[in-house]
Amino acid sequence: AQSVAQPEDQVNVAEGNPLTVKCTYSVSGNPYLFWYVQYPNRGLQFLLKYITGDNLVKGSYGFEAEFNKSQTSFHLKKPSALVSDSALYFCAVRDYGQNFVFGPGTRLSVLP
Amino acid sequence: GAVVSQHPSRVICKSGTSVKIECRSLDFQATTMFWYRQFPKKSLMLMATSNEGSKATYEQGVEKDKFLINHASLTLSTLTVTSAHPEDSSFYICSARSGPLNTEAFFGQGTRLTVV
Repeated sequence: AQSVAQPEDQVNVAEGNPLTVKCTYSVSGNPYLFWYVQYPNRGLQFLLKYITGDNLVKGSYGFEAEFNKSQTSFHLKKPSALVSDSALYFCAVRDYGQNFVFGPGTRLSVLP
Repeated sequence: GAVVSQHPSRVICKSGTSVKIECRSLDFQATTMFWYRQFPKKSLMLMATSNEGSKATYEQGVEKDKFLINHASLTLSTLTVTSAHPEDSSFYICSARSGPLNTEAFFGQGTRLTVV
């Protein structure tokens, strides 16, 4: 069965500092990995995905993620955090049934 | 990216009544749509997979008679919460995929249901 772990419930970072939101996964085959962001009382917005190719994936709003097969990780990163990046971030893996399996979410707070 | 529109964004209803939530893919056809429920400060829980022209596939533990799903066209799926109770109060989100397995899904803006 597919699963996704986000080991941190909450990440706090100062504005202008780099941020990392961690994600590890477990799949039985090649993973399709995704990151989504959710603002309060809103749906999920797509940030980026890894399907194949370069391990470093660049996405929306300056975010990027690095796929590491040996560590089964797909950490989300941004070189310089903005206060407006404060939100709930979900890592997800797509299974063979076409369903997304979401991680528990990590709340990012960027402090001014 | 593709747009998924969900309506209403917020609804308050009385216990015992039914509420219908619509999910539309605005600029693409979606043979499959997904309905999720999200509890406060929790992740998304897949409730059911909605297939155009056929019965929805419900996840274990989800009452199909309570959460009626209809996917009558390639651009519209509806979730009806029947005989709503306060414990049905939650944030409901739909999503749809516009392409093959390796494409991202697009999500509606969610519906905040409050049953009083």
